[in-house]
Amino acid sequence: QSVLTQPPSVSAASGQKVTISCSGSSSNIGSNYVSWYRQLPGTAPKLLIYENNKRPSGVPDRFSGSGSDTSATLDITGLQTGDEADYYCGTWDSSLTARVFGGGTKLTVL
Amino acid sequence: QVQLQESGPGLVKPSETLSLMCTVSSGSIKNYYWSWIRQTAGKGLEWIGRIYSSGDTNYNPSLKSRVTMSVDTSKNQFSVKLTSVTAADTAVYYCAREDNGLFLDYWGQGILVTVSS
Repeated sequence: QSVLTQPPSVSAASGQKVTISCSGSSSNIGSNYVSWYRQLPGTAPKLLIYENNKRPSGVPDRFSGSGSDTSATLDITGLQTGDEADYYCGTWDSSLTARVFGGGTKLTVL
Repeated sequence: QVQLQESGPGLVKPSETLSLMCTVSSGSIKNYYWSWIRQTAGKGLEWIGRIYSSGDTNYNPSLKSRVTMSVDTSKNQFSVKLTSVTAADTAVYYCAREDNGLFLDYWGQGILVTVSS
């Protein structure tokens, strides 16, 4: 059981937009920055979004993050087949004094 | 570009200690937090803990009694030991750098550790 809650799967057609949600509590998302990671099959996770809405160099602006209160969202526009992957949200939990992740969301591009 | 590489045995017997090392290259280990994360087959990410270059640590409460991390700044390496392993500890283990203690910006490729007799 993950501390952060994500939908197990989402899907959308190529070229469309998809939103992945991440729900937490006041001790984690409510008081700390959220980051998002993308994991392609058989590879290590890669940083996609940090500090709620910032993109590392090289990440296209099709990927955007936002946050409100105790939840965060990752939006992906202009979906491509190469975007099929598992997406994880993560943050620090001040009560647990530990880093926590969501259970991951598998994105399927139809 | 910072690179991280995990190393260690791929097979550990039940009840024994799992020991892994992460070597950092193309960057200094100083003034950063360094994390270990694991992922069981088909499952999500589980944070094991982190160590600062000074040696300060934070561990996952669910693993705290079995985990010890250490750092060797002279060798740009950090390591993790997990005691009394069981089959449930079979996973791919990743090391990663925490930027400002906020997010994991560089990850190793991961190493599969199987617990089996």
